[in-house]
Amino acid sequence: NAGVTQTPKFRILKIGQSMTLQCTQDMNHNYMYWYRQDPGMGLKLIYYSVGAGITDKGEVPNGYNVSRSTTEDFPLRLELAAPSQTSVYFCASSPARGQYFGPGTRLTVT
Amino acid sequence: GENVEQHPSTLSVQEGDSAVIKCTYSDSASNYFPWYKQELGKRPQLIIDIRSNVGEKKDQRIAVTLNKTAKHFSLHITETQPEDSAVYFCAASPNQAGTALIFGKGTTLSVSS
Repeated sequence: NAGVTQTPKFRILKIGQSMTLQCTQDMNHNYMYWYRQDPGMGLKLIYYSVGAGITDKGEVPNGYNVSRSTTEDFPLRLELAAPSQTSVYFCASSPARGQYFGPGTRLTVT
Repeated sequence: GENVEQHPSTLSVQEGDSAVIKCTYSDSASNYFPWYKQELGKRPQLIIDIRSNVGEKKDQRIAVTLNKTAKHFSLHITETQPEDSAVYFCAASPNQAGTALIFGKGTTLSVSS
């Protein structure tokens, strides 16, 4: 199993641009999550999903959107990038216990 | 909503010493408390977790204790080694899965030899 994979690993965006961060898991987990981690800080939940077709907001959803059309994929969309969205983004999936994280996407908005 | 406070923010120990990191939570409905280790530039990795019906759990050199009445839980690392150096995060959730984890801000542990 590849586990949780994320693409791209790095990205630089200009203010106002849009992009989609991809997340895929091959463990057949129902639960998936998006977090952001700012320097020296913990992880803040952006959105999560308990199954295909179901999504819900986390602590910091503003400026982001998600979809969950399949069990495997949980993309995160940034519509109008802002400097405040500069961060490392982690996707995670969960079976019955614990959450397992992808390698992260480092995003810089300038 | 849930709020998790973690202390200390930095911790320096000598190799072989013990290290203790403490977290408090606010929501009495939380009943699942995992701990994650994150090495520089890497993803967080689950190292141990505990549910509220258990007071203590051990896995080799690491242990977690939970005081549900006081709403705090702690990570204990014994016989620390340089490879234990990392950032450690506690988290709380009302469920093991399907519900968001609320994380503390992390503790940077440095183990010097």
